[in-house]
Amino acid sequence: DIQMTQSPSTLSASVGDRVTITCRASQSINNWLAWYQQKPGKAPKLLIYKASSLESGVPSRFSGSGSGTEFTLTISSLQPDDFATFYCQQYNSYPVTFGQGTKLEIK
Amino acid sequence: EVQLVESGGGLVHPGGSLRLSCAASGFTVSSNFMSWVRQAPGKGLEWVAVIYSGGDTYYADSVKGRFTISRDNLKNTLFLQVNRLNPEDTAVYYCARSGQQCCDYHYWGQGTLVTVSS
Repeated sequence: DIQMTQSPSTLSASVGDRVTITCRASQSINNWLAWYQQKPGKAPKLLIYKASSLESGVPSRFSGSGSGTEFTLTISSLQPDDFATFYCQQYNSYPVTFGQGTKLEIK
Repeated sequence: EVQLVESGGGLVHPGGSLRLSCAASGFTVSSNFMSWVRQAPGKGLEWVAVIYSGGDTYYADSVKGRFTISRDNLKNTLFLQVNRLNPEDTAVYYCARSGQQCCDYHYWGQGTLVTVSS
């Protein structure tokens, strides 16, 4: 199975900050990488797919980059609505696997 | 508008069974990659199973042989039959629809809670 490791596990930041979350795969996943945002009690929401494609309706302050085994999610200027837990996910091969999550907290 | 509405969760004893449903609207289930993803209380996301438009299915090792993903084309509904449940299966179960490539999940239901406890 492909292991997905996110860092950091918790991130404290302020409104207006630029933040980056990293996701590493245990082997190459050919850019088949998605990022999700999840708020308490809600279903995950797709932000980025195919490593860098922005999902329709998602603000442009979210961006994804990377290739092979290392990927990043960047939020260019944090907004109050952005504080949540973020997950990366590989869909290069089965079983599909998720990172353990990064909780973005208000500083 | 794409909508996914799960139902069928509840409290079940260890060893018991349930049938989870996911009623879809705004698109055709049988023409899309459809999956189940679960989340144990306070934990991360865990992929469970997928069914292709052609009918092929794939499962996580943790549920293989106990869970079955299927669909009813006339009812436009996705199912997950969950058997031989154990406490580790306690989770919110989400159905999700992929984009053109499986399995990036562009659409999610609200989830249905399965609690396995004696």
